[in-house]
Amino acid sequence: GENVEQHPSTLSVQEGDSAVIKCTYSDSASNYFPWYKQELGKRPQLIIDIRSNVGEKKDQRIAVTLNKTAKHFSLHITETQPEDSAVYFCAASRKDGGNQFYFGTGTSLTVIP
Amino acid sequence: DTAVSQTPKYLVTQMGNDKSIKCEQNLGHDTMYWYKQDSKKFLKIMFSYNNKELIINETVPNRFSPKSPDKAHLNLHINSLELGDSAVYFCASSLSTKGEQFFGPGTRLTVL
Repeated sequence: GENVEQHPSTLSVQEGDSAVIKCTYSDSASNYFPWYKQELGKRPQLIIDIRSNVGEKKDQRIAVTLNKTAKHFSLHITETQPEDSAVYFCAASRKDGGNQFYFGTGTSLTVIP
Repeated sequence: DTAVSQTPKYLVTQMGNDKSIKCEQNLGHDTMYWYKQDSKKFLKIMFSYNNKELIINETVPNRFSPKSPDKAHLNLHINSLELGDSAVYFCASSLSTKGEQFFGPGTRLTVL
């Protein structure tokens, strides 16, 4: 089955700086890579996703890059704000696997004002 | 107009009891899931249901059983609860053709 590794497990940045979270996956058939943000005590919510036919996708301060050859993808948050503080999860899935998500172990991001 | 809802939000019970958690989605999705999030925040898939048929079942103890009365509901029944079952359980749903999963608010289960 798929194995998703995520680094770092914790990340602290100063407000206004950038944050980068990296994930690797093992199943070359995975073709959908979402990122979820989970605030304390709340549900995970999708913030951005990328499919295997695209190398990069951007949505305002958030961007995701995908390197299918190396089987890794990254989340980039620019101009961080205190409200970006949360746990971020990457995931990988394949459509013919019943859309099952394999989640990374999470990154706890703290943005220091 | 809650998209994915779960009840109860909190559940405190004794070891050995049997309990159920309910999940409903009003998004017209065809696939529903149950995840377990432990104290270290790991999100682990437990079950997924597509059109009332179980299509993926991870190595979950058979004390856990999903029950889907219709496409909009996927309930989780747990027999003979153990201390290690304490966690937050999330329900989610998706359209199999789209990918994105929408999560419910979670149920915090505490087994004493």
